[in-house]
Amino acid sequence: GAGVSQTPSNKVTEKGKYVELRCDPISGHTALYWYRQSLGQGPEFLIYFQGTGAADDSGLPNDRFFAVRPEGSVSTLKIQRTERGDSAVYLCASSLGQGATDTQYFGPGTRLTVL
Amino acid sequence: AQTVTQSQPEMSVQEAETVTLSCTYDTSENNYYLFWYKQPPSRQMILVIRQEAYKQQNATENRFSVNFQKAAKSFSLKISDSQLGDTAMYFCAFISGAGGTSYGKLTFGQGTILTVHP
Repeated sequence: GAGVSQTPSNKVTEKGKYVELRCDPISGHTALYWYRQSLGQGPEFLIYFQGTGAADDSGLPNDRFFAVRPEGSVSTLKIQRTERGDSAVYLCASSLGQGATDTQYFGPGTRLTVL
Repeated sequence: AQTVTQSQPEMSVQEAETVTLSCTYDTSENNYYLFWYKQPPSRQMILVIRQEAYKQQNATENRFSVNFQKAAKSFSLKISDSQLGDTAMYFCAFISGAGGTSYGKLTFGQGTILTVHP
C-alpha cells in the first residue's frame, strides 16, 4: 500500500500567519509522530499520538504549536503566528504500534519557509 | 536524556569501495535500540538497519553492517561495495526500550553526508 504522505510538499508563508501541515499515515498504523528538521541537522521530536490522543507532546517548542488527530488517522500540525525561526522541514512518521520495536516509516516532509 | 553524536559531517567514497560512518551515544539505560536511517535528496527517511542493545551479535542487512560496542557506546555503520545510490545523508538514531515518557521518541544525531563517486 501507500506510504506516509504529507501535504503540502512546500509551504511559503509570511511572518505572523497561521499554517496547517497535514500527515496521512500508513493505513492501520496506530502511532503517529511529528519531527522538525532544521537545515543541516537531524530531526527533532515534537509530538506523538497513540490513536487519537497525544501521548507525548514534550517536544513542542511553545504554545504556538498544536497538533490533532481527531479520528486516529490523519493528523494536522498547526502553527500560529509563524516566526522566521519556524522555517524547517516538518517530518511525519507512523508505526504499527508505539513500542521501540515498531519501525517508524517517514513521509517526505513539508518544507516550511517563513518570510 | 539521551544524546547521539555523529562527528563526521561529510564523507566520500569511491564506487565499489567500503566506508564506515561513526556514531556515539550517551544513555544510562540498558534497554534500547539503535538505528541508521538514510535520507536522500528526496527527504524521505529510510530505515537502513536496526540493532537491539541486548543482542551482542552485530546486525547486517546485505551490504550494510554495524559495529556495536555497547561498553564504549559506539555504533558505526559499514557500507560495503558502495553504490552511487548510497549517496545521501545518514542519521544515527536512538530509542529507549524502557517505555514511559521516552516511548516512541527517536533521538537523532546531526547526520553525515555521504557522497559516492563513480
